[in-house]
Amino acid sequence: SAVISQKPSRDICQRGTSLTIQCQVDSQVTMMFWYRQQPGQSLTLIATANQGSEATYESGFVIDKFPISRPNLTFSTLTVSNMSPEDSSIYLCSVEGANGYTFGSGTRLTVV
Amino acid sequence: AQSVTQPDIHITVSEGASLELRCNYSYGATPYLFWYVQSPGQGLQLLLKYFSGDTLVQGIKGFEAEFKRSQSSFNLRKPSVHWSDAAEYFCAGVPDFGNEKLTFGTGTRLTIIP
Repeated sequence: SAVISQKPSRDICQRGTSLTIQCQVDSQVTMMFWYRQQPGQSLTLIATANQGSEATYESGFVIDKFPISRPNLTFSTLTVSNMSPEDSSIYLCSVEGANGYTFGSGTRLTVV
Repeated sequence: AQSVTQPDIHITVSEGASLELRCNYSYGATPYLFWYVQSPGQGLQLLLKYFSGDTLVQGIKGFEAEFKRSQSSFNLRKPSVHWSDAAEYFCAGVPDFGNEKLTFGTGTRLTIIP
């Protein structure tokens, strides 16, 4: 299975600012996924990122709020823009492999 | 809508007792199903998966799950739990691996008591 390095692992941010989360994969993958896990909740897919094309966003998520970059087959970033306390969550990236889906260790974001 | 349901929000089990966590799915065809575990402050770790074939699948940490088409279920079991099994458990599914998004159940929080 692929190994994902996600950073930062946690951050505390001021409202109105932006945070960029990075995921680096140790192998080339076609699709990368970004999830949000709100406190005490399950995982919700934000968007799917394919290299060379714009990300596909799920209902309720927009590019202006969560811009995603996918410059190559091993790397992606998710930016949480103009943050508010409601954005406090764990954000996880994921990739699809032959044996299933692998997840990064997550970024625990607190907005104050 | 295609989905995965975990009926139990929270389960408490004594250490050494057996465990069964429920998962039901609603997909038209046989889906690809997964169980993940999330320990406090950690990411998600894959316990086991069902793609096809043998309906009883073995996973890591002594867990197993049985795919039952007649009941649309994929319940996770462990014969004897350890205190370190306390975590959040997520069932997830996708109707067509490689072409669809993974959908998660709401999770079951497992508490282990001495």
